[in-house]
Amino acid sequence: EPEVTQTPSHQVTQMGQEVILRCVPISNHLYFYWYRQILGQKVEFLVSFYNNEISEKSEIFDDQFSVERPDGSNFTLKIRSTKLEDSAMYFCAPGERPDEAFFGQGTRLTVV
Amino acid sequence: RKEVEQDPGPFNVPEGATVAFNCTYSNSASQSFFWYRQDCRKEPKLLMSVYSSGNEDGRFTAQLNRASQYISLLIRDSKLSDSATYLCVVTSGGGSYIPTFGRGTSLIVHP
Repeated sequence: EPEVTQTPSHQVTQMGQEVILRCVPISNHLYFYWYRQILGQKVEFLVSFYNNEISEKSEIFDDQFSVERPDGSNFTLKIRSTKLEDSAMYFCAPGERPDEAFFGQGTRLTVV
Repeated sequence: RKEVEQDPGPFNVPEGATVAFNCTYSNSASQSFFWYRQDCRKEPKLLMSVYSSGNEDGRFTAQLNRASQYISLLIRDSKLSDSATYLCVVTSGGGSYIPTFGRGTSLIVHP
């Protein structure tokens, strides 16, 4: 069974719009990650959370991206001013260790 | 500069065969190693961690060779359901746990 539920499963947005991807963990986990996977390419780390704070982030995770935990349990990934190249699968993944992650089923983001 | 490299395959093997994949990494300070499997258009699923002493989980055996900077995955008695892409994941060291994924090796097991 998945450790998280991601919504929406598919999001289509126009270039320049903002999108918010949501992730609801099934239970509390110490660590939390966001990844993306452009179609046909490798999975890429975006950002990690520990104790409600950003722990690490990649070069991809620039000012266009932000993460929040608005209500203490859910996680959101906000992408501002979307570009065509932001089209990808976005996965959230909780973990009990800093190097272990159980992926959600992902949100497919399509920017048109 | 590719940090984690895998042979993309596909490896096309009959049921019951033994197949092995290798994955090389460039960062000698890497500290954690994993194999994930990913089915087409699905999320990656953790298959197994890779320990220095090597580890086995049923038909799957993972090995780590730090000196040569590669990890391997051996699958014995292949099943049709093993058909998937196998992702090698390496985390950076030095207090950082940023994971780097390989592009994956595709396995097709046929009857």
